[in-house]
Amino acid sequence: DAGVIQSPRHEVTEMGQEVTLRCKPISGHDYLFWYRQTMMRGLELLIYFNNNVPIDDSGMPEDRFSAKMPNASFSTLKIQPSEPRDSAVYFCASNPWRGTNEQFFGPGTRLTVL
Amino acid sequence: AQSVTQLGSHVSVSEGALVLLRCNYSSSVPPYLFWYVQYPNQGLQLLLKYTTGATLVKGINGFEAEFKKSETSFHLTKPSAHMSDAAEYFCAVSDGGYQKVTFGIGTKLQVIP
Repeated sequence: DAGVIQSPRHEVTEMGQEVTLRCKPISGHDYLFWYRQTMMRGLELLIYFNNNVPIDDSGMPEDRFSAKMPNASFSTLKIQPSEPRDSAVYFCASNPWRGTNEQFFGPGTRLTVL
Repeated sequence: AQSVTQLGSHVSVSEGALVLLRCNYSSSVPPYLFWYVQYPNQGLQLLLKYTTGATLVKGINGFEAEFKKSETSFHLTKPSAHMSDAAEYFCAVSDGGYQKVTFGIGTKLQVIP
């Protein structure tokens, strides 16, 4: 099993540009989560999906952020337009729903907005 | 609502000394509790978890944690620290049947040779 795959691993962009982060969950996992990690705020849940349907997006900071899951093996998190305060590490995680809520994390995407 | 408090954002121990990382939680229902470890430039990995049953839970790399309902605590311990244990550790709580997990702010463990 390849684990959760995220791309790119690093992204440097300029303020105002569109940024798209990608995630492939572990095959067979029903839940997918997007988190943001910063020094100041720690690990924050942005949104999560169940069977490709968004369940809770209350953590999405602004309308500039959007997430989609067009199928069970792919999700995107988009920021448009990006701002310097969006600089963070973004993690994707998936959960197989075996009743323990254990989450499997990807390696993260380090985003720097200049 | 659920929440987690990790006491001490930085902890330093000598190699071979006891590791104790503190975690207190708040949950309106019987919780599921987790400890995750994050090494530099990596994602979080599960160390151990408590769902039901035995309150002393053993995890990977010699770590264990004890669920104490009366104290609403889930402290992480390891008898003897290794240099390889230097990492950031996150306590997390989930309200049973709900998939949403709330993470603590994290504790960075430094191991001094």
